[in-house]
Amino acid sequence: DADVTQTPRNRITKTGKRIMLECSQTKGHDRMYWYRQDPGLGLRLIYYSFDVKDINKGEISDGYSVSRQAQAKFSLSLESAIPNQTALYFCATSDSLAGVMTDTQYFGPGTRLTVL
Amino acid sequence: ELKVEQNPLFLSMQEGKNYTIYCNYSTTSDRLYWYRQDPGKSLESLFVLLSNGAVKQEGRLMASLDTKARLSTLHITAAVHDLSATYFCAVRYSGGSNYKLTFGKGTLLTVNP
Repeated sequence: DADVTQTPRNRITKTGKRIMLECSQTKGHDRMYWYRQDPGLGLRLIYYSFDVKDINKGEISDGYSVSRQAQAKFSLSLESAIPNQTALYFCATSDSLAGVMTDTQYFGPGTRLTVL
Repeated sequence: ELKVEQNPLFLSMQEGKNYTIYCNYSTTSDRLYWYRQDPGKSLESLFVLLSNGAVKQEGRLMASLDTKARLSTLHITAAVHDLSATYFCAVRYSGGSNYKLTFGKGTLLTVNP
């Protein structure tokens, strides 16, 4: 079973709709992240959370919100989707307490979101 | 603001050849990562480099870090088709007590027979 799962894997929606993307992990990691990937732009950080009570904006948080429901769950919401939010969205996790302190991020399979 | 630049962004090479991907970054960082992404897939961690002069090798890939030059390289030796993928470097930056990664735009590597 995958350690980091994302649902849905694909979603097509219309402008103005509210969308929630969900991420769950069984790695026991404390840190979770949401990124979007656009062709030619690499990955850009939307939000990150270092524990359940800690939520931080990334470089492109406008138009997005998040919820850390539990250590293992981190959801990303688009309150009113717009076409330029069409992208591939990745959730990632890392362990700040890892023995070798590498803080390597492990990525989920991604959610392909299309906003018409 | 931390900037991470990779070059080249596109690389087409023949099997058996050697090549290097470069990753430059603009501010002090305490670690650098290399990831691989196959088309339509997620990112897979390849290497994490923690200190100046660090070198890591796995198969035909070797990564190194020069923190003084703010430069990391990913060297490909005797390329094979299976190495075709997009390679990203990512730099960890400390903004106060918060650490986050900034990714380069990626290098699309195509290895031709």
